[in-house]
Amino acid sequence: DAGVTQSPTHLIKTRGQQVTLRCSPKSGHDTVSWYQQALGQGPQFIFQYYEEEERQRGNFPDRFSGHQFPNYSSELNVNALLLGDSALYLCASSLWRSSYEQYFGPGTRLTVT
Amino acid sequence: AQTVTQSQPEMSVQEAETVTLSCTYDTSESDYYLFWYKQPPSRQMILVIRQEAYKQQNATENRFSVNFQKAAKSFSLKISDSQLGDAAMYFCAYRSALRGNKLVFGAGTILRVKS
Repeated sequence: DAGVTQSPTHLIKTRGQQVTLRCSPKSGHDTVSWYQQALGQGPQFIFQYYEEEERQRGNFPDRFSGHQFPNYSSELNVNALLLGDSALYLCASSLWRSSYEQYFGPGTRLTVT
Repeated sequence: AQTVTQSQPEMSVQEAETVTLSCTYDTSESDYYLFWYKQPPSRQMILVIRQEAYKQQNATENRFSVNFQKAAKSFSLKISDSQLGDAAMYFCAYRSALRGNKLVFGAGTILRVKS
């Protein structure tokens, strides 16, 4: 049973560019959440997708957008990259109507130069 | 808005001894969940232990246990018989029982284990 997978593992982008990060949830999970973790800090909630719709959103600008596909996988898109967007981006999957924990992927390390 | 505070940026413990990591949170809700996550250098966030707010009994998972004080809004993690593999960043997290699956994390505590 594969856990949460994310791609790529790491990437380097230039200010102003756009980036797409991908996440495949744990088998059987229907909800995907994205978090941004700056170096030395706790993860910050970006948004959450269920049934291909954004259900909750954290305090992030519209430059951050996402998508969920019918197979429950998800993408995180960031436009007009800023240096401050450099961080570890974590994807977590869960069941929408469950109190059980979220399972996290290994993350994508994004560096903006 | 809910907030989670971890006041210990770094802690050290001798192998085989016990250490307690502190966490406080602020919420006006009565129904919620609290978690401790471990993040080793590999970056993979791993769930250590979970506590439902409606349960008075403190959760335990092998060497890991919590001291949940709902009135004080305190949720500390005790690690007994510390092992070298326990060295990691530990995050306390809050999740509302009513408002989706969003996790609110504290800033984390680095735990170092000395041999």
